[in-house]
Amino acid sequence: DGGITQSPKYLFRKEGQNVTLSCEQNLNHDAMYWYRQDPGQGLRLIYYSHIVNDFQKGDIAEGYSVSREKKESFPLTVTSAQKNPTAFYLCASSSSGGNSETQYFGPGTRLLVL
Amino acid sequence: AQSVAQPEDQVNVAEGNPLTVKCTYSVSGNPYLFWYVQYPNRGLQFLLKYITGDNLVKGSYGFEAEFNKSQTSFHLKKPSALVSDSALYFCAVRPRSGYALNFGKGTSLLVTP
Repeated sequence: DGGITQSPKYLFRKEGQNVTLSCEQNLNHDAMYWYRQDPGQGLRLIYYSHIVNDFQKGDIAEGYSVSREKKESFPLTVTSAQKNPTAFYLCASSSSGGNSETQYFGPGTRLLVL
Repeated sequence: AQSVAQPEDQVNVAEGNPLTVKCTYSVSGNPYLFWYVQYPNRGLQFLLKYITGDNLVKGSYGFEAEFNKSQTSFHLKKPSALVSDSALYFCAVRPRSGYALNFGKGTSLLVTP
């Protein structure tokens, strides 16, 4: 899991509640990513950021929001608009946004709905 | 549409035997190809990648992968499986013109003693 930390490990969300997942990296990487993993579906990209103060929607951005105010941090907010948030959320980073660059993953946050 | 296929949901291998986990892709151009491994409730660990050059790529923990352009495949292999190799394996493809990694659905590898 390298120098990427995600917290909390488990997160419980109530109906109508916004929750924020933390992702921090000390690898001095420029690019950061959020993926959602559901059983039997592989990983799907939610948002990505190649530079501070800039980010782009991925394939399943609806119901999620992000910010990139610092190079080291890329928090993900799961809003009440996301009707099926139960999943394993993985943050990743790469040294740059170059397409051949390897993405390294954090340990993940499992989000459960009460 | 771009896609990555891992045709086997599960692969069973006896310890000491060679293993192969299959991956085929349908992505335009000459994409970059990756293999990752995931242990239960953990993040993904990078194993190896193909960018260009030799079709046989060597990676971590004794794994290697063979790129076949004509068959658009990137199969993961290991000459002698270990029980500790039991995990979920993901193939991922990244187009040269895009940013996202497109993942297969994963293959569960079970190595029995």
